[in-house]
Amino acid sequence: NAGVTQTPKFRVLKTGQSMTLLCAQDMNHEYMYWYRQDPGMGLRLIHYSVGEGTTAKGEVPDGYNVSRLKKQNFLLGLESAAPSQTSVYFCASSRPDRPSYEQYFGPGTRLTVT
Amino acid sequence: GENVEQHPSTLSVQEGDSAVIKCTYSDSASNYFPWYKQELGKRPQLIIDIRSNVGEKKDQRIAVTLNKTAKHFSLHITETQPEDSAVYFCAASKGGFQKLVFGTGTRLLVSP
Repeated sequence: NAGVTQTPKFRVLKTGQSMTLLCAQDMNHEYMYWYRQDPGMGLRLIHYSVGEGTTAKGEVPDGYNVSRLKKQNFLLGLESAAPSQTSVYFCASSRPDRPSYEQYFGPGTRLTVT
Repeated sequence: GENVEQHPSTLSVQEGDSAVIKCTYSDSASNYFPWYKQELGKRPQLIIDIRSNVGEKKDQRIAVTLNKTAKHFSLHITETQPEDSAVYFCAASKGGFQKLVFGTGTRLLVSP
């Protein structure tokens, strides 16, 4: 199993450009998440999904949109990129119930907005 | 909403020493407390977690303790090894869909 994969690994955008980050998981997990990681600030939840066709806002949703059209995929969109969105983006997935609440993370996407 | 504070931000120890990282949380309804380890340039990975109905949990050299009254929990690593060098994140969430709030991380450096 590949686990959680993310595309692309790196990207440089200019201010105002748009892009979509793709997350895919092959563990049949119900829940999926998008985080951003900035130096000294830990991981912050952007949006999450508790199932196909559902999405919800996390701590820092402004400037991002998401979609979960298929259970295995979770897309993060930036409609008009800003320098403040320069960050490392991690996708994660998890089961909805016991025995484990572990979130499995993807390898990350390093995004720079100039 | 929930707020998680983590200390220290950096911790340097000698190989074989013990290391302790502490976190406090604000929401008394939080009931799930995982710890993630992130090596340089890698993804975070769960190393241990604890639920609010348990006061302590151990897994080989790693242990986590929880004090619900004081709203703090700690990660204890004994007999540290150079491969323990990484950034460690604590987190807290209420039940349901594990909407985690992370601490700001502790960079642990274990010197040979």
